[in-house]
Amino acid sequence: DTAVSQTPKYLVTQMGNDKSIKCEQNLGHDTMYWYKQDSKKFLKIMFSYNNKELIINETVPNRFSPKSPDKAHLNLHINSLELGDSAVYFCASTVSTSGSFSEQYFGPGTRLTVT
Amino acid sequence: KQEVTQIPAALSVPEGENLVLNCSFTDSAIYNLQWFRQDPGKGLTSLLLIQSSQREQTSGRLNASLDKSSGRSTLYIAASQPGDSATYLCAVSMDSSYKLIFGSGTRLLVRP
Repeated sequence: DTAVSQTPKYLVTQMGNDKSIKCEQNLGHDTMYWYKQDSKKFLKIMFSYNNKELIINETVPNRFSPKSPDKAHLNLHINSLELGDSAVYFCASTVSTSGSFSEQYFGPGTRLTVT
Repeated sequence: KQEVTQIPAALSVPEGENLVLNCSFTDSAIYNLQWFRQDPGKGLTSLLLIQSSQREQTSGRLNASLDKSSGRSTLYIAASQPGDSATYLCAVSMDSSYKLIFGSGTRLLVRP
C-alpha cells in the first residue's frame, strides 16, 4: 500500500550509459515532481507535471527527460550519464484544488551511482 | 532569488528536552511552508504544512509557526524522544506551481 513508489531503489551504472527511473503514486494526485539530492544532502527541484503537462522545468541538462504517461506515473530518463549525475533522486506528488496545492508526499528515493 | 537557511546545522539534546529548529527565508512573499523529516537512507516525510495566511500548525508534539514579515518559521518539538532523531528540512513555495525550495536541514540527535 505504498503511496509513492520508485524503481529501482539503487542504480549503479557506467558513464555514457542511458538509464530510467520510474515513479508511481496511488494517492490519486494530479501533480508529480522530480527532485535531486546531491552529496551535500541539498534537495533541488528538477521537473513537475500537472495532469501529464510539464509545468516546471528547472535548469536541467537536456540529457534529462521526464515522461508522464498518465497522472499516476512520472518517469525520468537520463542519457549519456556523467559522474556528476550521481545523487539520490526523489519523486513526489500532491493534489491541486482550484490552483492551490496540499502537502507533497515523497517516494523513498533512487540512489544513482555513476562510475 | 529565494534562499532558505536552517540553523543550526546539527543539534544534539538529551531525551525529554523541548527544542526549537529555525528556518529563515529571504523573500517573504511565500505561498506556503512545509516541514519534513528525513531518516538516513530514506525519503522525506511531511510533518506540517503552513499556508501563507496561517500563523501556526500543530500535530501531536510538533508545533510549527510562521512569521512571514520577518521571513522566519520555527519547528517546536516537545518532550523529545530518541525516535525524533532525523534530519529536519524546511521548504517554501513561492507560487501556485508549488515548486519547493529547500533549506539544507538540521540534523537532530536525541540522546537516550
